[in-house]
Amino acid sequence: GQQVMQIPQYQHVQEGEDFTTYCNSSTTLSNIQWYKQRPGGHPVFLIQLVKSGEVKKQKRLTFQFGEAKKNSSLHITATQTTDVGTYFCAAFSNSGYALNFGKGTSLLVTP
Amino acid sequence: GAVVSQHPSRVICKSGTSVKIECRSLDFQATTMFWYRQFPKKSLMLMATSNEGSKATYEQGVEKDKFLINHASLTLSTLTVTSAHPEDSSFYICSARPAQVSGNTIYFGEGSWLTVV
Repeated sequence: GQQVMQIPQYQHVQEGEDFTTYCNSSTTLSNIQWYKQRPGGHPVFLIQLVKSGEVKKQKRLTFQFGEAKKNSSLHITATQTTDVGTYFCAAFSNSGYALNFGKGTSLLVTP
Repeated sequence: GAVVSQHPSRVICKSGTSVKIECRSLDFQATTMFWYRQFPKKSLMLMATSNEGSKATYEQGVEKDKFLINHASLTLSTLTVTSAHPEDSSFYICSARPAQVSGNTIYFGEGSWLTVV
């Protein structure tokens, strides 16, 4: 399937600081999805990006899809303790049916 | 919104026994469901794609005789871990893709924690 590489693996920030996680692929992606998984929970869908250069915002979260559709990022402005969790990017496999997940970025926010 | 339910949420079984995990789409039909495994602090690894009325498609390295998948109806897929061993202890998550909806929306179940002792 289409492999997506995600960095960093871990990020520890003070509350109020910004946070960014990056997702890269060696091949062009048809679309990319982002998920959040709280500790002990299951992945929750955040957003899907489809268009080249697309930028979408959800309150303090900004999602970007690269012009070449090979990379994506999730940026959180002024983190809060409720942002704690692991953020995964995911892309569909070559069959177009199953999602392949990046390794995820675990975010820890301390007050 | 669409809901995918998994049961049981937690199960402990003895080594050598088999355990079945159910994945149900509660308010939509799913011709395709997916089974993932997630080890602590690791990513979700796709195990197999479950197709209603046909054999599941397994990812490379996943033993189909050990992880039996049955997708007998449009709302239910089951994963049976046969002859479980402690190394099978993991978080198993299913997801489903609505048959009637176009696009790439996939809904995840709440996951099932399996502990083999």
